[in-house]
Amino acid sequence: AQSVTQPDIHITVSEGASLELRCNYSYGATPYLFWYVQSPGQGLQLLLKYFSGDTLVQGIKGFEAEFKRSQSSFNLRKPSVHWSDAAEYFCAVVGVGNEKLTFGTGTRLTIIP
Amino acid sequence: DAGVIQSPRHEVTEMGQEVTLRCKPISGHNSLFWYRQTMMRGLELLIYFNNNVPIDDSGMPEDRFSAKMPNASFSTLKIQPSEPRDSAVYFCASTPTVGNTIYFGEGSWLTVV
Repeated sequence: AQSVTQPDIHITVSEGASLELRCNYSYGATPYLFWYVQSPGQGLQLLLKYFSGDTLVQGIKGFEAEFKRSQSSFNLRKPSVHWSDAAEYFCAVVGVGNEKLTFGTGTRLTIIP
Repeated sequence: DAGVIQSPRHEVTEMGQEVTLRCKPISGHNSLFWYRQTMMRGLELLIYFNNNVPIDDSGMPEDRFSAKMPNASFSTLKIQPSEPRDSAVYFCASTPTVGNTIYFGEGSWLTVV
């Protein structure tokens, strides 16, 4: 069964600083990988996804993520955060041929002026 | 295009009452998922359907919970009788095919008092 680990429960960064949120997955092969964002009181919005091909994927709102097979990681990055990026971020995995999307526990991002 | 539509958005009910949550998936999507989000357990998959057939209900917490998908454009999640520990956000999601992006509704925020 697949699983996802987000080791950072809460991260605080200054506005304008760079950001990296960590995600590690466990699966027997290369899975499909996703990052979702959830603002307070809102649903989940897809930021980006990796299915195959180029291991660096671009998403919305200036986010990108890099799939590293050797490290079983799919870390999310943004070069310069904005106050509006404050939210909860979830990494998720679906096994190939599977439909069950398994989420990590989430990382709450706080932005300070 | 309309996204996944859930109703009600918010519900407060008394313990012991029946609760019915409704979902309309995106037109043309073949798979539908029900997730529950709580502070303690994060995002949990309760059940998912493919072509209106329940495929995996191993996440349904107990017999008080039931889900149906009578047709391709409608699903319900019912809790009877409801208990305070059922208080959570319930998300419905859909995807066109296996391995594709899963799109989430805005959630139904349930409080059982």
